Amino acid sequence: GNSVTQMEGPVTLSEEAFLTINCTYTATGYPSLFWYVQYPGEGLQLLLKATKADDKGSNKGFEATYRKETTSFHLEKGSVQVSDSAVYFCASSSASKIIFGSGTRLSIRP
Amino acid sequence: NAGVTQTPKFQVLKTGQSMTLQCAQDMNHNSMYWYRQDPGMGLRLIYYSASEGTTDKGEVPNGYNVSRLNKREFSLRLESAAPSQTSVYFCASRRLAGKEETQYFGPGTRLLVL
Repeated sequence: GNSVTQMEGPVTLSEEAFLTINCTYTATGYPSLFWYVQYPGEGLQLLLKATKADDKGSNKGFEATYRKETTSFHLEKGSVQVSDSAVYFCASSSASKIIFGSGTRLSIRP
Repeated sequence: NAGVTQTPKFQVLKTGQSMTLQCAQDMNHNSMYWYRQDPGMGLRLIYYSASEGTTDKGEVPNGYNVSRLNKREFSLRLESAAPSQTSVYFCASRRLAGKEETQYFGPGTRLLVL
């Protein structure tokens, strides 16, 4: 079945640093891919998505490109802010459900 | 338009007690889901309902039952709570229109079983 593997955290960076959080997936067919963000004490919010190979999802300065050849959907941001501190989840969809990775906690130091 | 709502926000139970977690969505979505979130384990799917009138087991269904009461509401029941069910529970609904899809989450219910 489908599965998602993402980089273990926690990840700690200084403000304005470059961020990469790795995510790879296994799936039959061509799933849609997502990044969700969870701020402390809240539910998950969709950050960005891509529905087919070579699509790039982007939002709030974050980007991820759907790479079929490497089955990856890595999350990147050029200059992180303290307000980006949160837990980030990679996910892939099948017809009936969405499968989540285990989450990566990101902490940004001022 | 409230999105996905969950009640209660917090609950403390004693081992063996029962309770029902309520979830409702006002977006006319066909699919609804219950997840649990435990430290270091991400989100694990308990049960889901692909459409009104159907329910299916997810990864961790043991100890839970669900009811899709109508298109809006999807409840999760713990018949005899155990300490291992201490967790944060999230309900979600999903819009699927061709390849365009988005899943929306409720704010969560924090459950402590003593």
